[in-house]
Amino acid sequence: DVKVTQSSRYLVKRTGEKVFLECVQDMDHENMFWYRQDPGLGLRLIYFSYDVKMKEKGDIPEGYSVSREKKERFSLILESASTNQTSMYLCASRPSGRMEDTQYFGPGTRLTVL
Amino acid sequence: GENVEQHPSTLSVQEGDSAVIKCTYSDSASNYFPWYKQELGKGPQLIIDIRSNVGEKKDQRIAVTLNKTAKHFSLHITETQPEDSAVYFCAASRGGGATNKLIFGTGTLLAVQP
Repeated sequence: DVKVTQSSRYLVKRTGEKVFLECVQDMDHENMFWYRQDPGLGLRLIYFSYDVKMKEKGDIPEGYSVSREKKERFSLILESASTNQTSMYLCASRPSGRMEDTQYFGPGTRLTVL
Repeated sequence: GENVEQHPSTLSVQEGDSAVIKCTYSDSASNYFPWYKQELGKGPQLIIDIRSNVGEKKDQRIAVTLNKTAKHFSLHITETQPEDSAVYFCAASRGGGATNKLIFGTGTLLAVQP
């Protein structure tokens, strides 16, 4: 079974703090993704990585950065957290870029920025 | 770029009835359409998908239909059960390749009343 784990289920931070969200997958997948989920807006792609040290901006990258130093780990960084970054953050991984490859999601991290 | 619209945003049905969720997409080059189910407290999970060279696909009580001309696809759930209650997301993508990414709809909250 594919397993995607996220470092925290719930996180509360203050405005201006630097926040790290960690994601680990155990299936040697090449591709990894970070989404945010907001009511009425669905899943929006923040960043994705198609290989180690490779990254590409998604639809809403502003205010975020990412790091992928090892194949199994993909980190999302909020350099200076703001209240409008309060959201559910979902990590996903995929074997490769083949069309039919399934994306596997982690359970999510609910981040609250006060 | 691709845009995926999903309707309805909420759907309530009686146990045993059928449920239908519809999505439209804008990019005629999109050729892969997965559906994800997100149960409370969990990440989304793939339940069924369809390629553009197929008009319909079934898996037990769920089916997906695709109309390429009209650029819309639908999820059909028959004989609904309380465990079908969840948020459902449609998605679309085109082609494969390392940078291939899914564009998600805004989600449908399905409630199956016992």
